[in-house]
Amino acid sequence: DIQMTQSPSSLSASVGDRVTITCRASESTSIYVNWYQQKPGRAPKLLIYAASTLESGVPSRFSGSASGTDFTLTINSLQPEDFATYYCQQTYSRRLTFGGGTNIEIK
Amino acid sequence: QLQLQESGPGLVKPLETLSLTCTVSGASISSSRYYWGWIRQPPGKGLEWIGSIYYSGSTYYYPSLQSRVTISVDTFKNQFSLRLSSVTGADTAVYYCARGNLATYSWFDPWGQGTLVTVSS
Repeated sequence: DIQMTQSPSSLSASVGDRVTITCRASESTSIYVNWYQQKPGRAPKLLIYAASTLESGVPSRFSGSASGTDFTLTINSLQPEDFATYYCQQTYSRRLTFGGGTNIEIK
Repeated sequence: QLQLQESGPGLVKPLETLSLTCTVSGASISSSRYYWGWIRQPPGKGLEWIGSIYYSGSTYYYPSLQSRVTISVDTFKNQFSLRLSSVTGADTAVYYCARGNLATYSWFDPWGQGTLVTVSS
């Protein structure tokens, strides 16, 4: 199965910071990688699909990129509502897998 | 507007079978454009995909759960279901259902609100 290794597992940041989260796939996933945001007590919300396509309604400060088996989620100018946990997911294999998550906390 | 809603017992005894249903409203569960999945999240931990079912009836399961999991669809009720047998405390989690999009690429959206299932005697 394809493993998605996400880093860091947590980070502290301030409003206005630029934040980068990375997922590394254990084998090629093409660009079949998605990013989700989850807030406490809520279901995950799709942010980005196909590695870099922004879901409708998601602010443009969120962006995704891919380089080989490395995938990056970037949040430019972190806003108070962005403090949450973020997960990557591969859908290249029908045996889907998620990364371990990155919790963004307020510094 | 498409909505998914999980339902089922919130408490299951060890070694019994966990059964959950996801009711889909606002769209047909029979569409070949989508698949349907279950995902769980143990308290304080990350997301774990459990399995998916496709229009063809094909199912795919997380390898370590495969021997205990069954996902099925009831097209007449517009529902899909999860059965997980021989549960232990490690199966305590919030269980989510979600729709998978079968466009060129694939993702889960939307998700149900989730339901907490506790395994305890």
